[in-house]
Amino acid sequence: GQQLNQSPQSMFIQEGEDVSMNCTSSSIFNTWLWYKQEPGEGPVLLIALYKAGELTSNGRLTAQFGITRKDSFLNISASIPSDVGIYFCAGGGATNKLIFGTGTLLAVQP
Amino acid sequence: ETGVTQTPRHLVMGMTNKKSLKCEQHLGHNAMYWYKQSAKKPLELMFVYSLEERVENNSVPSRFSPECPNSSHLFLHLHTLQPEDSALYLCASSDYAGYGYTFGSGTRLTVV
Repeated sequence: GQQLNQSPQSMFIQEGEDVSMNCTSSSIFNTWLWYKQEPGEGPVLLIALYKAGELTSNGRLTAQFGITRKDSFLNISASIPSDVGIYFCAGGGATNKLIFGTGTLLAVQP
Repeated sequence: ETGVTQTPRHLVMGMTNKKSLKCEQHLGHNAMYWYKQSAKKPLELMFVYSLEERVENNSVPSRFSPECPNSSHLFLHLHTLQPEDSALYLCASSDYAGYGYTFGSGTRLTVV
């Protein structure tokens, strides 16, 4: 079945640093989405990408839909303590089913 | 109330118990999903309902039984579970296109 490889698995950074994480797949996706999950909560949508090459920002977050449609990255600039959580990528195909990556755990030290 | 609401938030049950998880969405979405989230594993899709009809069952054991009485409500009935079924169970909803699922906060299930 389709799989998403998300890296890195975890990141431990200082407040103020920039962060970059990415997802790759052997399959083509029509949409890429990035979610954040905080402890005890469900994932919350951060950014949705619908077109190959698309670059979209949401505050300090920027995500891009790879031109090959097989990858996506998420950047967080000037990290703050509340950025802590697990970040998931998800790819959508022709159906309404999303495939999720394994997640990147982000820890930010003040 | 807005968004996707799941109850209970926490559940501890014995292997011989029968319990149900409830999900309710107030977003006017047409599709609802159950996901299982275990430590160090990707989110696992369990069931998909589109317009109250089950369109996908991802080889889930029969001890998990979903029910979708209408487009706003989704249940997961549990019976004779195993300890390895302990996980966070997430409900989500979306429109037809499936873009941008909205998740509930999940039910943390512990089977003892």
